[in-house]
Amino acid sequence: AQTVTQSQPEMSVQEAETVTLSCTYDTSESDYYLFWYKQPPSRQMILVIRQEAYKQQNATENRFSVNFQKAAKSFSLKISDSQLGDAAMYFCAYRSARGTSGTYKYIFGTGTRLKVLA
Amino acid sequence: NAGVTQTPKFQVLKTGQSMTLQCAQDMNHEYMSWYRQDPGMGLRLIHYSVGAGITDQGEVPNGYNVSRSTTEDFPLRLLSAAPSQTSVYFCASRPPANTEAFFGQGTRLTVV
Repeated sequence: AQTVTQSQPEMSVQEAETVTLSCTYDTSESDYYLFWYKQPPSRQMILVIRQEAYKQQNATENRFSVNFQKAAKSFSLKISDSQLGDAAMYFCAYRSARGTSGTYKYIFGTGTRLKVLA
Repeated sequence: NAGVTQTPKFQVLKTGQSMTLQCAQDMNHEYMSWYRQDPGMGLRLIHYSVGAGITDQGEVPNGYNVSRSTTEDFPLRLLSAAPSQTSVYFCASRPPANTEAFFGQGTRLTVV
């Protein structure tokens, strides 16, 4: 069974600085998707960035980028030029590329709470 | 475009009471799921559906029932609420070919 581990329950970063959130996963599959979701106090789950396992190039979305190390099964999120609005809970998630019987399941990590200090 | 709508946003129940958490999506997504979020546990899958009339159990299905009579709606029923079901519940939907899941804003349920 697949697992997703976020070993940092909480992180802090100064405004305008860079922070990296860690995520490791375990799977026997070769094709899958990885995601980072942001959950602000409003509780809405917002997709931050997505990475397809078959792509070697790391995904980037504005100030957000990932360091995807497939062999090490590592998927860290880097936030550059941190802003107060980045303060939230961040979840790493795994999804198989192919489901059994047409089903797909997301597996989430336990989350990392990011605090941004002014 | 409302996306995924969950009601209610907050609910307090007494042990043994029953209730239904509503989830509706207007994006014609085939896949819908219910998760619960507990501190230190991440999101755990309760039940999911790959289309109208088809449902299956997730990781933590005990104490919950679902049905999917239409593509739009996927209600989650608690038949006899227990304090262990105190949690934040999220509904999500996704079309088959898309990788991104769209989440509702969650329902905070407290069982006393």
